[in-house]
This record gives sequence, structure tokens and C-alpha cells, in this order.
Amino acid sequence: GQQVMQIPQYQHVQEGEDFTTYCNSSTTLSNIQWYKQRPGGHPVFLIQLVKSGEVKKQKRLTFQFGEAKKNSSLHITATQTTDVGTYFCAGLNGNQFYFGTGTSLTVIP
Amino acid sequence: NAGVTQTPKFQVLKTGQSMTLQCAQDMNHNSMYWYRQDPGMGLRLIYYSASEGTTDKGEVPNGYNVSRLNKREFSLRLESAAPSQTSVYFCASELAGTNQPQHFGDGTRLSIL
Repeated sequence: GQQVMQIPQYQHVQEGEDFTTYCNSSTTLSNIQWYKQRPGGHPVFLIQLVKSGEVKKQKRLTFQFGEAKKNSSLHITATQTTDVGTYFCAGLNGNQFYFGTGTSLTVIP
Repeated sequence: NAGVTQTPKFQVLKTGQSMTLQCAQDMNHNSMYWYRQDPGMGLRLIYYSASEGTTDKGEVPNGYNVSRLNKREFSLRLESAAPSQTSVYFCASELAGTNQPQHFGDGTRLSIL
């Protein structure tokens, strides 16, 4: 069954507001990847986190991997309309990646 | 450089029909994957191939078979399609190991009536 849960499922924000999506696993993950999928498109790799407590930034995006390597978050500062899409985490457990259910972000201009 | 190419992009089948979804990558990647994406379920791994000549079951393999024809190509076959297999299917490839980004194709939208 699903090993990686992601919340919230949907998020509507005004342009300029911040956004955060959370990913939680029932088991310890070897690493975690984040992907973005635009409407009608395919998932595109954003970043990978490997170390416990790791924090990485990409411009307005901040990614964190929990100390216990069971949770992760993606935070977007000052959202823009180009941020619209569904954000997925994918946790590696054993030799398989388990994708979260995704958070669909809508940005209202 | 096409990346990961999936064919067809759309398909409608009747229950019980068979079909093969094709996937090819030109990035010399070793690992290839087949996922299905359903609303509210994220992407679920059907089968994967860590290297040419090997295939392994993922999270939801029932009703599917795969063939890693060569390093470039990884096909997914539905022997007897069922309405529960209506989904968007994505193929992905990865250079090697599990510390690399996965590169996805554009997907195949499959409807089974």
C-alpha cells in the first residue's frame, strides 16, 4: 500500500503568498526526490535530498529532509503564477521509489 | 535529443483487448520504469528494469507484463484490459542506481471501456 503520504492534497493561494507541502513516510527513507508536474504534463525532477536534516534551496524553493529521514517539505516563498502545478515527493525505500499523492497548487493572480 | 518517448499518446480499448505500450530512451540510461497515475493516488510503480535483461515487480504489477527489449526500450503489455486499468501511464528512465533523477516521457492516456 501507499507508504508515502503528502498533504495537503490541494492548495489555493493568492499570488505572492507562501506555500508549503509536506511529505511523510511510515518508514525511514534512503533519500527523497521532489518533482513538479504542470497540468497535462509529465513529472519533472526538481531536487534530491540524501542526508538527515538536509536543507537545499533553489531560488524561491526551499527543500528539507527530516532528521529521522521520514519526512520532507517543500516551501515556496512569494508564489508566482508559474508555480502552478502538482508537486510530488518520491521516497526511496529499498530499491523502489514511492511517490506521494501530490499537492496541487493553484495560484490566483 | 528526444529523451524518453512513449507511444501511443492516447488509446481507447474495449475490455478484454490486449495492447502494448512502447517506451524508448536515448540517454543511455540503465534503469527504466513504468508508472500509472490515477487521481488522488500519485504515481504507482508497476514494473521496473534496473538494467538490460532484468525486470522486477513494483507496487501494482497485477494485470501487466513488461519486456526490456534492449537498453533503449522497455514495453508494458496489458494482456486482457480491464476498466480498472484506465489511467495515465508514464515511462521513466534513470542513469544508474537510485541517486539519480528520473526522466519521464509525456505519458499514454489509456481508457478501457
